[in-house]
Amino acid sequence: GAVVSQHPSRVICKSGTSVKIECRSLDFQATTMFWYRQFPKQSLMLMATSNEGSKATYEQGVEKDKFLINHASLTLSTLTVTSAHPEDSSFYICSARMETQYFGPGTRLLVL
Amino acid sequence: AQKVTQAQTEISVVEKEDVTLDCVYETRDTTYYLFWYKQPPSGELVFLIRRNSFDEQNEISGRYSWNFQKSTSSFNFTITASQVVDSAVYFCALSEARRRGGADGLTFGKGTHLIIQP
Repeated sequence: GAVVSQHPSRVICKSGTSVKIECRSLDFQATTMFWYRQFPKQSLMLMATSNEGSKATYEQGVEKDKFLINHASLTLSTLTVTSAHPEDSSFYICSARMETQYFGPGTRLLVL
Repeated sequence: AQKVTQAQTEISVVEKEDVTLDCVYETRDTTYYLFWYKQPPSGELVFLIRRNSFDEQNEISGRYSWNFQKSTSSFNFTITASQVVDSAVYFCALSEARRRGGADGLTFGKGTHLIIQP
């Protein structure tokens, strides 16, 4: 089956710093990847659609200047949380689309 | 706008019982996709099934079965002879095929926490 990896799996950072999360499709090429956020005991919310070679499409209410997305190749998309604050602490999950969406293992971000 | 409702927040059953997780969706599109994912405590989402709106045929995969009814906009999931390892949060999700050749980002229900007691 399709495998999607994420790195890092867990990150703790100080308030005000930036954090980069990588999402890779390991055995297939994905022109489209998606970024979701999940707060504890809540559902997943789509943040943005990452398109290879073009700008990401952000969902309503998601600040594009705060959550920078780069999809530089067909197997890699990155999400950078800029000037992170405690309220950005969450579980971030990416997915890559083949026939269906396959999800990465997620990244737990804790901002102190 | 699309919406997915999983009215059951938590279900607890004893092992070997059958259990059905409900999912009701709303969409204005005639072409869409429905999904079920399992999320164990580790957090990783495990893909279970994908169904497109033109395929109302029910599906069975081992102990899992799905009942898709367009008339009631429901896509229910049944686990037969439940096992402790089935304990997890299960999400139903919907995607509209706005662009040719694929689906958009998913809209998830709130999830149902299934607890299988030994």
